[in-house]
Amino acid sequence: GQSLEQPSEVTAVEGAIVQINCTYQTSGFYGLSWYQQHDGGAPTFLSYNGLDGLEETGRFSSFLSRSDSYGYLLLQELQMKDSASYFCAVSGQNFVFGPGTRLSVLP
Amino acid sequence: DTAVSQTPKYLVTQMGNDKSIKCEQNLGHDTMYWYKQDSKKFLKIMFSYNNKELIINETVPNRFSPKSPDKAHLNLHINSLELGDSAVYFCASSLGGFSYEQYFGPGTRLTVT
Repeated sequence: GQSLEQPSEVTAVEGAIVQINCTYQTSGFYGLSWYQQHDGGAPTFLSYNGLDGLEETGRFSSFLSRSDSYGYLLLQELQMKDSASYFCAVSGQNFVFGPGTRLSVLP
Repeated sequence: DTAVSQTPKYLVTQMGNDKSIKCEQNLGHDTMYWYKQDSKKFLKIMFSYNNKELIINETVPNRFSPKSPDKAHLNLHINSLELGDSAVYFCASSLGGFSYEQYFGPGTRLTVT
């Protein structure tokens, strides 16, 4: 089977940097994705890591270590609009979302 | 232009009824999905269709049945609705398989009373 773990909540202030970790157990692993979901909205794609290392897209970066079954999403220069839930998801024999991390950005 | 659309946005119905949710994508994607998000915000894949063929069918009750008339549409039929079916249902599409970016529809909030 597949299982993922993320912190349930993270709080930070505007302008800060926050890291959301994701650990997973899966078979047939292909890659790790990250999605953002605002309250009442739909998930939107942020990034995908198929290989070890860091992927950077603007203020957001995502990291993967396949040997450690671990990844993280790094959000820099936090803005109020970044307050949302963030989900990691594993692509393998199936596609499984983590439980989500609720990020609150304070002024 | 709406990339992935779903109808209806809200659906309130009684136990035992049968209902359908429609989904359409205009992105030319090959794969479409149905997800269920419960009240605790857990997102779980229900079905995936690739070129009109079911390629994954999670352990959902057979009261749920996906129907894909063509590559751009994936509808979800639910028979004999139960209280536990209350959730938000999202349709999504992607160019290829799971490793590709998935585009989600706005969701359908289903409430079973």
